[in-house]
Amino acid sequence: SAVISQKPSRDICQRGTSLTIQCQVDSQVTMMFWYRQQPGQSLTLIATANQGSEATYESGFVIDKFPISRPNLTFSTLTVSNMSPEDSSIYLCSVRDFKVETQYFGPGTRLLVL
Amino acid sequence: AQKITQTQPGMFVQEKEAVTLDCTYDTSDQSYGLFWYKQPSSGEMIFLIYQGSYDEQNATEGRYSLNFQKARKSANLVISASQLGDSAMYFCAMREFFTGGGNKLTFGTGTQLKVEL
Repeated sequence: SAVISQKPSRDICQRGTSLTIQCQVDSQVTMMFWYRQQPGQSLTLIATANQGSEATYESGFVIDKFPISRPNLTFSTLTVSNMSPEDSSIYLCSVRDFKVETQYFGPGTRLLVL
Repeated sequence: AQKITQTQPGMFVQEKEAVTLDCTYDTSDQSYGLFWYKQPSSGEMIFLIYQGSYDEQNATEGRYSLNFQKARKSANLVISASQLGDSAMYFCAMREFFTGGGNKLTFGTGTQLKVEL
């Protein structure tokens, strides 16, 4: 199974600022995904990060707000820009294992925006 | 319509007993996959079990089994011999292999399980 790490594990930020979350995987993966879990809610896919091409965003999420980088097959970043309290959530990085049809998640980044 | 429905916001079970967490789904895809995840209070998402739509047998992983009833579009999780450490939020999720590009997991609202002594 893939081992995924995220930095930071948690942060408290002021509104109007930006935070970049890093995701590192211990093996090369084609696709990496970013999910958001708002307080007391389920998980929602933000975007799919493809190596060598632009990220693909889900409805309701835009690149200006959530820019994503994918410089290689083991690493991705998600930036939460111009934050507001509504961005307070857990942000989770995820990878898909095509061989055994499994999807793994990182430990998450807990973000609180004041 | 909700793609994944979990009708039990909270469940209680006594230690060592079995418990069933309900999940129904809605899709027009012929090929899809169903997942169950456990989320403890720490927030991590722990993969438990997977069932493919073409799998003829119900999936099992240790104390976890998936009761897959395709005609009813249900994929209930059965946890046998519950342990205190099973107390967590449990999410059912679906991947549709044709709709939306085949990579998106759609999650239900979750069931909070509490195991009691």
